[in-house]
Amino acid sequence: GENVEQHPSTLSVQEGDSAVIKCTYSDSASNYFPWYKQELGKRPQLIIDIRSNVGEKKDQRIAVTLNKTAKHFSLHITETQPEDSAVYFCAARTNNFNKFYFGSGTKLNVKP
Amino acid sequence: DAGVTQSPTHLIKTRGQQVTLRCSPKSGHDTVSWYQQALGQGPQFIFQYYEEEERQRGNFPDRFSGHQFPNYSSELNVNALLLGDSALYLCASSQTPFGVSQETQYFGPGTRLLVL
Repeated sequence: GENVEQHPSTLSVQEGDSAVIKCTYSDSASNYFPWYKQELGKRPQLIIDIRSNVGEKKDQRIAVTLNKTAKHFSLHITETQPEDSAVYFCAARTNNFNKFYFGSGTKLNVKP
Repeated sequence: DAGVTQSPTHLIKTRGQQVTLRCSPKSGHDTVSWYQQALGQGPQFIFQYYEEEERQRGNFPDRFSGHQFPNYSSELNVNALLLGDSALYLCASSQTPFGVSQETQYFGPGTRLLVL
């Protein structure tokens, strides 16, 4: 089955700096890659996603890049703010039935 | 427009007991997936229900079973609870028009289960 690895497990940045979180996947058939933000005690919230036919997608301060050949995708957050502090999860969908595999999460701490 | 709801929010059980968790999907959604999220880990896919049938299953034992009702709501049942079943159980809903899954899924707030 699919295996999604996520790095780093923790990331601490100064407010205003950029943050990058990386994920790799093993199944070349995976075709959809969402990123979720989960604040303490709350549900995962979809923040951005990318499909396998696209290399990059941007939404304001958040961007995601996908390298299908290398089987990795990354989340980029620019101009970080304290409210960006949360746990971020990447995921990969392996088939067309919405079976998702998640990474182990990255705890982002943005210091004011 | 109601989002995904789950009940109960918290639950405490003892080993060997059985538990039932409930999920109501977002309005207009017909597919429900269940995930187990252990502390400090990412969600792990348990199974998915569509048209009242289990359509996909993750690597979970038969102690985990489910059901989907005609109104698209769903239940997750866990029998013979183990200490290791303690986790946050999340459901996520999505749409499957004409049998084709739409990728975007929305999570409920989860049920936190503690097994003593």
